[in-house]
Amino acid sequence: AIQLAQSPSSLSASVGDRVTITCRASQSIRSALAWYQQKPGMPPNLLLYDAAFLKSGGPSRFSGSGSGTDFTLTINRLQPEDFALYYCQQYHTYPITFGQGTRLDIK
Amino acid sequence: QVQLVESGGGAAQPGTSLSLSCAASGFKFSIFSIHWVRQAPGKGLEWVAAVSYDGRKTYYADSVKGRFTISRDNAEEKASLQMSSLRTEDSGVYYCAKEVSSTSPDAFEMWGQGTMVNVSS
Repeated sequence: AIQLAQSPSSLSASVGDRVTITCRASQSIRSALAWYQQKPGMPPNLLLYDAAFLKSGGPSRFSGSGSGTDFTLTINRLQPEDFALYYCQQYHTYPITFGQGTRLDIK
Repeated sequence: QVQLVESGGGAAQPGTSLSLSCAASGFKFSIFSIHWVRQAPGKGLEWVAAVSYDGRKTYYADSVKGRFTISRDNAEEKASLQMSSLRTEDSGVYYCAKEVSSTSPDAFEMWGQGTMVNVSS
């Protein structure tokens, strides 16, 4: 199975900051990568797919980049509602796999 | 309104069976693959199984292969996950999810609210 390694596992930031989360795949997944946000007690919410495509209606402060094995999620001008858990996911090959998650906390 | 609603969760003893259901509405169910993803309390997301749009192809995580069976009924717009030989490590919230497009596999655009499974003696 393709392994996804997210870093950092947690980070603290302030409202208005810019943060970057990375996701590294154990083998090439081309651009078959998605990013999800999850808040307590809620299902995950798709943010970006195909590495860089923002889900329709999603906030433009979220952006993604990368292909092959290295990917990044960038959040510009952090808003209070952005403090949550973030997961990457590869859907290039079954079994589909997720990164271990990154917890974004308020500093 | 596009939605997925899971049901069937609850308490179960190790070694027993439980069946989950995912009812879809608001979209053309028959053209999308459906997935099950689970999340143990305080843990990350684990993909469990997928069924193709027509039900002919199924895929499983190694951790559930041979114990879980995914299926679908397009006429009733429903997907199911039959779980047998349950283990304590199968406990968690089970979500069903719909892909972004009909070209599978794809990212998960829509998730249900989840149903809790608690396997304990």
